[in-house]
Amino acid sequence: ETGVTQTPRHLVMGMTNKKSLKCEQHLGHNAMYWYKQSAKKPLELMFVYSLEERVENNSVPSRFSPECPNSSHLFLHLHTLQPEDSALYLCASSQGPSGYTDTQYFGPGTRLTVL
Amino acid sequence: GENVEQHPSTLSVQEGDSAVIKCTYSDSASNYFPWYKQELGKRPQLIIDIRSNVGEKKDQRIAVTLNKTAKHFSLHITETQPEDSAVYFCAASRVVTGFQKLVFGTGTRLLVSP
Repeated sequence: ETGVTQTPRHLVMGMTNKKSLKCEQHLGHNAMYWYKQSAKKPLELMFVYSLEERVENNSVPSRFSPECPNSSHLFLHLHTLQPEDSALYLCASSQGPSGYTDTQYFGPGTRLTVL
Repeated sequence: GENVEQHPSTLSVQEGDSAVIKCTYSDSASNYFPWYKQELGKRPQLIIDIRSNVGEKKDQRIAVTLNKTAKHFSLHITETQPEDSAVYFCAASRVVTGFQKLVFGTGTRLLVSP
C-alpha cells in the first residue's frame, strides 16, 4: 500500500485559507492525476500530468492549482474554496505515456472539508 | 461528451450467490475497461480489466465480459463472500495525448450478507 501516498489524509479549512495537498508515487510512473470524489457522483478527473507537463485540465475552477515539480510528486494548491468543494481528493499514477497498458494506481485520498 | 452508466446503484446478495454489475459507455473509441473496488475509507483498487480486443476475461471468482457492438460490459462475481462488500466502479478509457483517460460510472454498492 505504499505505491502512491497522499498527505494530509484529512484537512479542514475555511474559505479564506490556502492549503496544499501532496501526492508522491514510488512506482517509477510518468503520468499523475488528480480526481475529485463526491458522494453519489462518478470520480471526476481534474488534472493530468504526463512527463511533468499538464496534458489535461478538465474545466476546473482556478481556485484549484496543480503543480508537478517532477515525475514523482504532484501537488494541488487550494485557495478561497467553497463548501461544495468538500470531497475526497484522489491522486493516481500510471506508467504513461505509452497508453495501451496504462493501469492507474490510486492513493488513499485526502478528505477535504471546507467550512 | 463521454458518459458511462452503471447499474444497479446498490446490490444486496446472500453469501454464496452471484452478483452482476452492468455498465454502458458512449465513446466508441474506448479501448480499455477497468473495474475498481473501493472499500469503506480506502483507495480504489483495480480488480480486473479487459481490452477491446477481448470478449471475456476471468480471474478466479471474478469475470468481465465486453460487448463492443452494444457498448456494454459487465462484472460477474461468483460465490460471493462478505469481504466482497464494497463499492465497485466501472470505467471506460481511451488514449488521449499519451495517457489513458478514464470515465467512471457512478458506482455500485455491493452488500454481501453472511
